[in-house]
Amino acid sequence: DTEVTQTPKHLVMGMTNKKSLKCEQHMGHRAMYWYKQKAKKPPELMFVYSYEKLSINESVPSRFSPECPNSSLLNLHLHALQPEDSALYLCASRWTSGSQDTQYFGPGTRLTVL
Amino acid sequence: GENVEQHPSTLSVQEGDSAVIKCTYSDSASNYFPWYKQELGKRPQLIIDIRSNVGEKKDQRIAVTLNKTAKHFSLHITETQPEDSAVYFCAAQLLQTGANNLFFGTGTRLTVIP
Repeated sequence: DTEVTQTPKHLVMGMTNKKSLKCEQHMGHRAMYWYKQKAKKPPELMFVYSYEKLSINESVPSRFSPECPNSSLLNLHLHALQPEDSALYLCASRWTSGSQDTQYFGPGTRLTVL
Repeated sequence: GENVEQHPSTLSVQEGDSAVIKCTYSDSASNYFPWYKQELGKRPQLIIDIRSNVGEKKDQRIAVTLNKTAKHFSLHITETQPEDSAVYFCAAQLLQTGANNLFFGTGTRLTVIP
C-alpha cells in the first residue's frame, strides 16, 4: 500500500455536531500531519505527530482535537465548529530514508460547516 | 520562522512554451525545497525536490534550480502541455531529527492554452 487514505471524502456538519476525520497509511511512516486548506491558498499546518506523539500544535482552537491511536492511523475530532472552519482537510505522512525526505498527502476531506 | 514568497500568482502560457515559477525564502538554515502540483479538487503531489547541496535537478520536462546565496529557487517546465495546468506550490523545510515543517509559498495557478 503506497498511499495515504482519508475518510470521509466529504462531510457536512452543523455547528453543534461532533464528527471525526480519519487518515490511514501503511507505509511505515512515523510522522503524520494535519493541514487545513482554504480555496486558492496553500495548505496550513495544524498538527504534527512524530512516533505517535504530538510534537507540533500550531495554535489550533480546541474545537479541533487530534488523536494518533497507532503508527498507521491519525484522527481529527471535530466539535462545535464554525462556518469559517469549512475547508479541505489534508493529512500527510512523511517518509525519511537516506537522502529522501518527502511528505505524501492524502486526498483530503472537504468539510462544510453549516 | 521561515517565510516563503512565490511569484507569479497566475501564469498563462501557450502549449509548447516554457513556464518559470520563482520562490524566495528567508531562513538560510532551510535545506530542502520541494515543489507540489495540485490539480483542481485533488491532493498536492510532489513533482520534484532539491536539497541545498545541489544547484540544479532535472526530471524530464521539469527542472528546479537553487541559489543558496540569494535564497531563491525556481521551477522550470519546458514544452508545456494542457495537463500541466494546475496550482503549483513551492515549499522550504529544515530537515532535522524529529518532525519537520514544510513552509509553503502562496501558489501559482498555471494555465496552459492549447
